Amino acid sequence: GENVEQHPSTLSVQEGDSAVIKCTYSDSASNYFPWYKQELGKGPQLIIDIRSNVGEKKDQRIAVTLNKTAKHFSLHITETQPEDSAVYFCAAKRAPSGNTGKLIFGQGTTLQVKP
Amino acid sequence: ETGVTQTPRHLVMGMTNKKSLKCEQHLGHNAMYWYKQSAKKPLELMFVYNFKEQTENNSVPSRFSPECPNSSHLFLHLHTLQPEDSALYLCASSPGQGEGYEQYFGPGTRLTVT
Repeated sequence: GENVEQHPSTLSVQEGDSAVIKCTYSDSASNYFPWYKQELGKGPQLIIDIRSNVGEKKDQRIAVTLNKTAKHFSLHITETQPEDSAVYFCAAKRAPSGNTGKLIFGQGTTLQVKP
Repeated sequence: ETGVTQTPRHLVMGMTNKKSLKCEQHLGHNAMYWYKQSAKKPLELMFVYNFKEQTENNSVPSRFSPECPNSSHLFLHLHTLQPEDSALYLCASSPGQGEGYEQYFGPGTRLTVT
């Protein structure tokens, strides 16, 4: 079945360093890849997304890259700050074609940014 | 604030109790979702409603019963739950179910089954 693998499960970096989280997906029909950030006591919040017709997208300190051939995508956070500490989830979705096109989530990465 | 509210935020219930979780969205969205979030596991989609009609039931046990009276409200009725049902239950909404529609999540209800 559809599956999304996310690594690492935990990541600790020093403030100012970069952080990279990687995901692979199994469904080659997936064409939408969002990243969510979940802070303690809150629900996940979309921070960036990418569609399959684009290889890279950047928004200030965060960027996402997509390699469709290898079926993997990555989240890059530069100049990390303590407020970036949270759990990050990747997800993949195929275009609905008579079905709901549901999001398949990765297992999550707990990022800790040390001051 | 994402525009999606959930009540209660915390719930402790016995295995023989009946309780309900409530979700309300103030975004004018047409699709609403229930997810289960357990420790060390990916978010699991439970149910999807689009324009008040259920479009997805992800093989969820019948002890979980959803209800969607209108596009703004979603309930999850619980009865005779098991301890393994203890988890964070998240509600989400989106403008539609098509490609690329962002899902907005509520803060969740932390459920403990004793």
